[in-house]
Amino acid sequence: EVQLVDSGGGLVQPGGSLRLSCAASGFTFSRSMMAWVRQAPGKGLEWVSSISESGGTRYHADSVKGRFAISRDNSENTLYLQMDGLRAEDTAIYYCAKTEARFRTFDFWGQGTLVTVSS
Amino acid sequence: DIQMTQSPSTLSASVGDRVTITCRASQSINNWLTWYQQKPGEAPKLLIYKASSLESGVPSRFSGSGSGTEFTLTITGLQPDDFATYYCQQYNEFPLTFGGGTKVEIK
Repeated sequence: EVQLVDSGGGLVQPGGSLRLSCAASGFTFSRSMMAWVRQAPGKGLEWVSSISESGGTRYHADSVKGRFAISRDNSENTLYLQMDGLRAEDTAIYYCAKTEARFRTFDFWGQGTLVTVSS
Repeated sequence: DIQMTQSPSTLSASVGDRVTITCRASQSINNWLTWYQQKPGEAPKLLIYKASSLESGVPSRFSGSGSGTEFTLTITGLQPDDFATYYCQQYNEFPLTFGGGTKVEIK
């Protein structure tokens, strides 16, 4: 059974940093592209970042480019999102998502972890 | 960036109704279009991929159609469990983009 467990969220002051983690199991992690998607309170879904199977190729939304960095540890089956320079508008639930590459879709999602940026 | 426009943003319907949600892309996305369902407090769930392929385990009352820039999600015979918010998403190119969502409410 595929499982994605998101963690690392919390309350942080503007300008602060957080690192989110997503522990994966039930599939061959090293053969799957992965992504982070966020959802601000009461709002829609926003793609944040994606990373290739090896970690060699990374994509980020313009809204987080230069502040957030996606990475992965295939030996630990874990996906990360390093978030620096946090802003109030980054407040959201952050979901990790497994990418089904053949059909270009997010086929499994974590339960989400809440990041609140506030003083 | 490819803009995804969903309509309507809210839809009121009754159990048993046929419901159609539209998603328009600002340019061709070669059918790399996915539909998700999201209920309050839950992560999104995959319903339809590549515009019209039904994900395993999803009831057959859900169907997707369309090509190029215009796509639809149809629920034939709305069930109580279907009251939720639905999102379309394109995966033709980065940055990946979602539609704004359609909330299906009980009439």
